[in-house]
Amino acid sequence: GESVGLHLPTLSVQEGDNSIINCAYSNSASDYFIWYKQESGKGPQFIIDIRSNMDKRQGQRVTVLLNKTVKHLSLQIAATQPGDSAVYFCAENKGQGGGSNYKLTFGKGTLLTVNP
Amino acid sequence: GAGVSQSPSNKVTEKGKDVELRCDPISGHTALYWYRQSLGQGLEFLIYFQGNSAPDKSGLPSDRFSAERTGGSVSTLTIQRTQQEDSAVYLCASSLVGAPSYEQYFGPGTRLTVT
Repeated sequence: GESVGLHLPTLSVQEGDNSIINCAYSNSASDYFIWYKQESGKGPQFIIDIRSNMDKRQGQRVTVLLNKTVKHLSLQIAATQPGDSAVYFCAENKGQGGGSNYKLTFGKGTLLTVNP
Repeated sequence: GAGVSQSPSNKVTEKGKDVELRCDPISGHTALYWYRQSLGQGLEFLIYFQGNSAPDKSGLPSDRFSAERTGGSVSTLTIQRTQQEDSAVYLCASSLVGAPSYEQYFGPGTRLTVT
């Protein structure tokens, strides 16, 4: 079936290190992917997105890589800081068009813990 | 400006009672979404409102769940005869329709506990 999932449920890194959070997806028809960050007690917050016609997109301290061959998405956080500690979700938009292109399918999330 | 707000932030109810959860979207956002987030899980789509169009209710888990959006703004999610498996965080999000990034802005959620 269609699904978006994560390889690692938890990730612990040292402050200053780079973090890599991975996500697998199964629907090759998805044309849009998003990473969200959710801090404790808060709603998810948009980090970065990427369209399926791209392989890489960079933001501030974050980079998203998309490998369509193996249906893999990753979020790289440079120089991880304690404030980056949160649950990170990947989400896909299946781009069904018409009235349903708004639907996002979310993965279960990865808990990132940054140790000082 | 103000973000998406939800109330109450926490709700504890007894099994069998009805509950109402409220969402105030960002002003000007015509699209509104409800999601459910169970412990340690991702977000489960429940319902989508867009302007005056018929809502997409395909994600509602049972007929005990219903939602309304009055005046194209505030939305209420109602759960009747609550069950323990309804315990979760209920998140609301809003967006501009056709936003280039499909970016949805989320509220802080309502944590529902059914005892």
